[in-house]
Amino acid sequence: GAGVSQSPSNKVTEKGKDVELRCDPISGHTALYWYRQSLGQGLEFLIYFQGNSAPDKSGLPSDRFSAERTGGSVSTLTIQRTQQEDSAVYLCASSLATGSGTQYFGPGTRLLVL
Amino acid sequence: QKEVEQNSGPLSVPEGAIASLNCTYSDRGSQSFFWYRQYSGKSPELIMFIYSNGDKEDGRFTAQLNKASQYVSLLIRDSQPSDSATYLCAPEGRYSGGGADGLTFGKGTHLIIQP
Repeated sequence: GAGVSQSPSNKVTEKGKDVELRCDPISGHTALYWYRQSLGQGLEFLIYFQGNSAPDKSGLPSDRFSAERTGGSVSTLTIQRTQQEDSAVYLCASSLATGSGTQYFGPGTRLLVL
Repeated sequence: QKEVEQNSGPLSVPEGAIASLNCTYSDRGSQSFFWYRQYSGKSPELIMFIYSNGDKEDGRFTAQLNKASQYVSLLIRDSQPSDSATYLCAPEGRYSGGGADGLTFGKGTHLIIQP
């Protein structure tokens, strides 16, 4: 079946604007993860969902970041009042369940905040 | 707090030689590990998963796990230019009932295979 998809693939925005990033996981995968990768840096875990629930939001960098998942499928990551340091590639991954199993990554959204 | 350490490289290996990538981890409770490969500008893709001490072979790739010494390694035999990428290791996330970790990746080792 289809892999993890993300949209948009690229996003350029002005400082202070809000952006919304979308992730559509592999069908049947109950777990969904968001990561961020800044230029030349490793992958930084942000948040995960088991079903529609996100039990631990402590990985989000600031209160400008929020995420939700509806219907156990699509997830959106919202960044309010974007800052230049938010520029990064935002990667979404899904797996059959949390805590076990391979995570399959989407192609990412490249966010540039001017 | 899980920590994963990798030599960032670049690690330069001649074509046809064996590339050896190493990863150490701090969480003694980690039981299994992933190796992901990430080409420049692309997302990570899984290449190996290992959960038992010892070696696991898959084609030209061999993962080695030593839980007592808390390291995991990846060997690539007969290295090809197409193996040039960044290799990331990560302990498997654990679900504790109160929450689960996403994967804690090392920063990755940049491997260059020289033709």
